[in-house]
Amino acid sequence: GQSLEQPSEVTAVEGAIVQINCTYQTSGFYGLSWYQQHDGGAPTFLSYNALDGLEETGRFSSFLSRSDSYGYLLLQELQMKDSASYFCAVRPPNQAGTALIFGKGTTLSVSS
Amino acid sequence: EPEVTQTPSHQVTQMGQEVILRCVPISNHLYFYWYRQILGQKVEFLVSFYNNEISEKSEIFDDQFSVERPDGSNFTLKIRSTKLEDSAMYFCASSESGGATKVVFGPGTRLTVL
Repeated sequence: GQSLEQPSEVTAVEGAIVQINCTYQTSGFYGLSWYQQHDGGAPTFLSYNALDGLEETGRFSSFLSRSDSYGYLLLQELQMKDSASYFCAVRPPNQAGTALIFGKGTTLSVSS
Repeated sequence: EPEVTQTPSHQVTQMGQEVILRCVPISNHLYFYWYRQILGQKVEFLVSFYNNEISEKSEIFDDQFSVERPDGSNFTLKIRSTKLEDSAMYFCASSESGGATKVVFGPGTRLTVL
């Protein structure tokens, strides 16, 4: 099976940098994704790591280390609008490999 | 940017009743999905659909659930006999391929079973 662990809550101030970790126990997966979800809204895609290393998309970066079973999402120059829940997700290779399995999510609160 | 749309935004039903949740995936996407999120919990995969058949389903997607693509644009989730524990937000999603790195989610239908 798959197990994804994330901190439940993180707090930070505007302009700061925050790192949200995701550790996983899974027999294999195609890649690690990150989704953002504002209260009452839909999950929206942020980033994807197929290979080990860092992927950068504007203020957001994501990192994967398969050997350490670990990934993280790095948010820089935090803004109030970044207050949301952040989910890591993997696609296990069982069956058709189309399912996204999500972690429990990390609630980020950004204050001024 | 193309969007996934869902109707209704909120559905209230009595336990034991049948509900149909509707979705219009992005037009050039080939894979369609249903996910659910119980209030305050994580997003859970229900089913994926490709080429007019189920590609993959989770343990949650039991015999009370069914999906259908009745025409060229709509994708539906039917819950045959709703239970209290079916109360959740149901998200439809779509992607260009089954292995797509980016899955686009709709705004969700909040289902409340009384």
